[in-house]
Amino acid sequence: DSGVTQTPKHLITATGQRVTLRCSPRSGDLSVYWYQQSLDQGLQFLIQYYNGEERAKGNILERFSAQQFPDLHSELNLSSLELGDSALYFCASSVAFGAYTDTQYFGPGTRLTVL
Amino acid sequence: GENVEQHPSTLSVQEGDSAVIKCTYSDSASNYFPWYKQELGKRPQLIIDIRSNVGEKKDQRIAVTLNKTAKHFSLHITETQPEDSAVYFCAARGKFYFGSGTKLNVKP
Repeated sequence: DSGVTQTPKHLITATGQRVTLRCSPRSGDLSVYWYQQSLDQGLQFLIQYYNGEERAKGNILERFSAQQFPDLHSELNLSSLELGDSALYFCASSVAFGAYTDTQYFGPGTRLTVL
Repeated sequence: GENVEQHPSTLSVQEGDSAVIKCTYSDSASNYFPWYKQELGKRPQLIIDIRSNVGEKKDQRIAVTLNKTAKHFSLHITETQPEDSAVYFCAARGKFYFGSGTKLNVKP
């Protein structure tokens, strides 16, 4: 157990809908990262937050957004869902954002299925 | 941005043999290189990492080597066991980009 929690574990929804994925980082970690992993694919970095502020953006679609709250938990919002959005979504956390403290610990993931 | 290339994409070895996975990176500012193991349907788990001021690091059957001049680093697994079968990802920090993954299959 990495100490990073994600809810829900599974999510099944229809095209055009909107969902929210939730992540709680390890105790003491200030940075949260979101990744998308499609079937048999690698990890695609979406976005990073550090202590409530957006720090880095990757291949995140405009239909997707995220935020980190004062208690450091983070939410990833996916809207106007398409079939291709079906994937495993991982959250990871680290202490800060500098390279030497950048070890990322992953949560168990949320499996999103869009029908 | 960072570009991390990982080879091979699949690797099949006999139990007890060694396995080597290689990654190259483009950003010379990268100074932290973690390796993750991901079993099917599960989260990636850190198995070993190396900082740029170290050329080699070993942890039991797993070792990582780093060549900063050539901008490549490798994961070495010795005496492979069936439970080593998984997908392995490398990363080069700086940025937050992972290699494309290597599916390792250890045949009993």
